[in-house]
Amino acid sequence: GENVEQHPSTLSVQEGDSAVIKCTYSDSASNYFPWYKQELGKRPQLIIDIRSNVGEKKDQRIAVTLNKTAKHFSLHITETQPEDSAVYFCAASEAGNMLTFGGGTRLMVKP
Amino acid sequence: AAGVIQSPRHLIKEKRETATLKCYPIPRHDTVYWYQQGPGQDPQFLISFYEKMQSDKGSIPDRFSAQQFSDYHSELNMSSLELGDSALYFCASSLGRARNTQYFGPGTRLTVL
Repeated sequence: GENVEQHPSTLSVQEGDSAVIKCTYSDSASNYFPWYKQELGKRPQLIIDIRSNVGEKKDQRIAVTLNKTAKHFSLHITETQPEDSAVYFCAASEAGNMLTFGGGTRLMVKP
Repeated sequence: AAGVIQSPRHLIKEKRETATLKCYPIPRHDTVYWYQQGPGQDPQFLISFYEKMQSDKGSIPDRFSAQQFSDYHSELNMSSLELGDSALYFCASSLGRARNTQYFGPGTRLTVL
């Protein structure tokens, strides 16, 4: 089955700096890669996703890149704000199937 | 916009008791996924349904069963509860399997004493 590794497990940045979270996956059949933001005790909220037919996608301060050959994808958050503080999960799946999550990254943005 | 609804939001049970968690997907969504999230852990896939048929099975204990009904809502039945079953249980729904995007409900926090 699919295995997703996520790094770093914790990340502390100053407000205004950029944050980068990296994930690798093992199953070459995976073709959908979402990122979720989860605040303590709340539901995972989709913030951006990318499918295997594109290499990069951007939505305001958030961007995701995908390297299918190397089987890794990354989340980039620019101009971080204190409200970006949360746990971020990457995930991978083959069309329509279950999501396999990475271990999560706790992002702390210091004002 | 309507979101995924889960009930109850909190549930406290004793060991060896049974519990039933309910999930109402976003209207017109035909696919439901169940995930279990322990403290400090990532969500782990349990089981999914598409058009009322089981489509995938993950790390779901034999003590648990689930089904999807004709109105697309789903129920997760948990029997012989153990302390280790204490977790957040999330339901997610999507529109068609090929569309992929899964939207999560608010979760049910199950505490087993």
